[in-house]
Amino acid sequence: EPEVTQTPSHQVTQMGQEVILRCVPISNHLYFYWYRQILGQKVEFLVSFYNNEISEKSEIFDDQFSVERPDGSNFTLKIRSTKLEDSAMYFCASGLQMNTEAFFGQGTRLTVV
Amino acid sequence: GQQLNQSPQSMFIQEGEDVSMNCTSSSIFNTWLWYKQDPGEGPVLLIALYKAGELTSNGRLTAQFGITRKDSFLNISASIPSDVGIYFCAGLIGTSYDKVIFGPGTSLSVIP
Repeated sequence: EPEVTQTPSHQVTQMGQEVILRCVPISNHLYFYWYRQILGQKVEFLVSFYNNEISEKSEIFDDQFSVERPDGSNFTLKIRSTKLEDSAMYFCASGLQMNTEAFFGQGTRLTVV
Repeated sequence: GQQLNQSPQSMFIQEGEDVSMNCTSSSIFNTWLWYKQDPGEGPVLLIALYKAGELTSNGRLTAQFGITRKDSFLNISASIPSDVGIYFCAGLIGTSYDKVIFGPGTSLSVIP
């Protein structure tokens, strides 16, 4: 069964460093999303991406964050100058259409020290 | 902004018991979703509800979309140990998964 895959599963980085979280969405999907879940809290929407551009973003998704689809298969989330409070699970999701189910990856745990 | 509340926050039940959990909001949602998250995994969609009053089942799971469009419940019948996890309700303002708003979750523990 096709699935969304994310790498790495766990990333530890020093405060102030840049990180890139990678996702391979399901191959025929057109809509891509990033969500964040701080430990013990709810899942929060960050950004959605369609047709090579951001279609929606939340207040959390400030200038520190950027997304890119550098090729036909990867979808990345870049966090510039990480802060301690960026520590969280980051989930990538993809969907075939805007109004169909978005499938989640298993997440990348980011720890900023 | 839109917020969802879930109750209870956590539950400890005996295997074989039925479970009921709720999700409420002060805002109207056009689509309600129920997800389950296992430890270290991403959320997996269990049930999607698209119409007010809709009652939908998926195996031992049953969920309903409230008439007011401001609430939903999820029932699990005859619980088993693998039902353990966190259950999130989520709402869509429209029908687009462009921005899904999640509730805080109900943690379910099943005692064998």
